[in-house]
Amino acid sequence: GQQVQQSPSSLVLQEGENAELQCNFSSTATQLQWFYQSPGGSLVSLLSNPSGTKHTGRLTSTTVTKERRSSLHISSSQTTDSGTYLCAIEVATGYQNFYFGKGTSLTVIP
Amino acid sequence: AQTIHQWPVAEIKAVGSPLSLGCTIKGKSSPNLYWYWQATGGTLQQLFYSITVGQVESVVQLNLSASRPKDDQFILSTEKLLLSHSGFYLCAWRDWGAETLYFGSGTRLTVL
Repeated sequence: GQQVQQSPSSLVLQEGENAELQCNFSSTATQLQWFYQSPGGSLVSLLSNPSGTKHTGRLTSTTVTKERRSSLHISSSQTTDSGTYLCAIEVATGYQNFYFGKGTSLTVIP
Repeated sequence: AQTIHQWPVAEIKAVGSPLSLGCTIKGKSSPNLYWYWQATGGTLQQLFYSITVGQVESVVQLNLSASRPKDDQFILSTEKLLLSHSGFYLCAWRDWGAETLYFGSGTRLTVL
């Protein structure tokens, strides 16, 4: 079954608006990462956050492990933030298998 | 600094032809290595992983095979391509026990 569900599937924002992306997962996660996938396909790790709250730049991730959910907040969006945001979990330490969600496609218009 | 290089950048191949995709990691000793595949519009799926030279574990069966002939090299191959093999192939690495997964820039494969 689907391990990772992301919502919304797509989002359109005006530049400067904030975005809230959600990730829900069906198994306990020992690792959780948020990735950015560019329109060309390459992936970049944004944040690793298996529990609690983490900040980097304009990004804030909050993961509530026992509720099996994580969020990614993007503040003051920019056109360069456009792309797909993927959530991935590892269900057991050393399991060596990350399960990815389908992603949220974000479009920021000027 | 560590770098990950994938080749080729793109391939157009005929059904039934062989395939070999490569991945090299420089600046990192004994990384864990991974192959991922993403069908167009689909979810990223892990295919294989390797934690040491010569050892490869299969995660999803797609009539593909992988090998790790050297510590810094990971190869994905098949002798006969299927239409369903089309998509985007990504190699990734991370340190044992580390949180962060680092990806290469990918190979886009079109099977006709």
